[in-house]
Amino acid sequence: EPEVTQTPSHQVTQMGQEVILRCVPISNHLYFYWYRQILGQKVEFLVSFYNNEISEKSEIFDDQFSVERPDGSNFTLKIRSTKLEDSAMYFCASAGTAVSEQYFGPGTRLTVT
Amino acid sequence: KQEVTQIPAALSVPEGENLVLNCSFTDSAIYNLQWFRQDPGKGLTSLLLIQSSQREQTSGRLNASLDKSSGRSTLYIAASQPGDSATYLCAAKYNYGQNFVFGPGTRLSVLP
Repeated sequence: EPEVTQTPSHQVTQMGQEVILRCVPISNHLYFYWYRQILGQKVEFLVSFYNNEISEKSEIFDDQFSVERPDGSNFTLKIRSTKLEDSAMYFCASAGTAVSEQYFGPGTRLTVT
Repeated sequence: KQEVTQIPAALSVPEGENLVLNCSFTDSAIYNLQWFRQDPGKGLTSLLLIQSSQREQTSGRLNASLDKSSGRSTLYIAASQPGDSATYLCAAKYNYGQNFVFGPGTRLSVLP
């Protein structure tokens, strides 16, 4: 069964460093998402991406964040200058249409020290 | 502001019991609602998706219902098993956005 994959599973970085989190969505999906979950808190929406552009973003997704689909398979989230409060689990998701089921990857645990 | 709440926050039941998890959402203008399962430190596994035009969906021992007028969804788990122990999340997608708004989850423990 097709699945969303994410790499790395765990990333440790120092405050102020740039990180890139990678996702491979399900191959025939057209809608891509990033969410995050701070330990013990709700899953929060960050950004949605369709047709090679951002379609929606939350107030969390400020200028420090960017997303890219550099080729036909990868979808990346870049945090330009990490802060301690960026420590969280980051989930990528994909869907075939805007209203269909979203499939989530296993997540990348980001730890900023 | 759209909000999703879930009660109870935690639930502990003996194996074999039927149980109901509740999800409430503000604003009835939803496209759909999706139920997920999350094991500790893991990702989200999709369980059921209910479109706004549907009243319920079933998959195996799981049945999810949706009542837009009252802003509620329930997840019914029949004949619970210890392997069902996990956190169950509901998430609502509103007509005017693509993102899901998640509830805080119900942590379920099924005791053998």
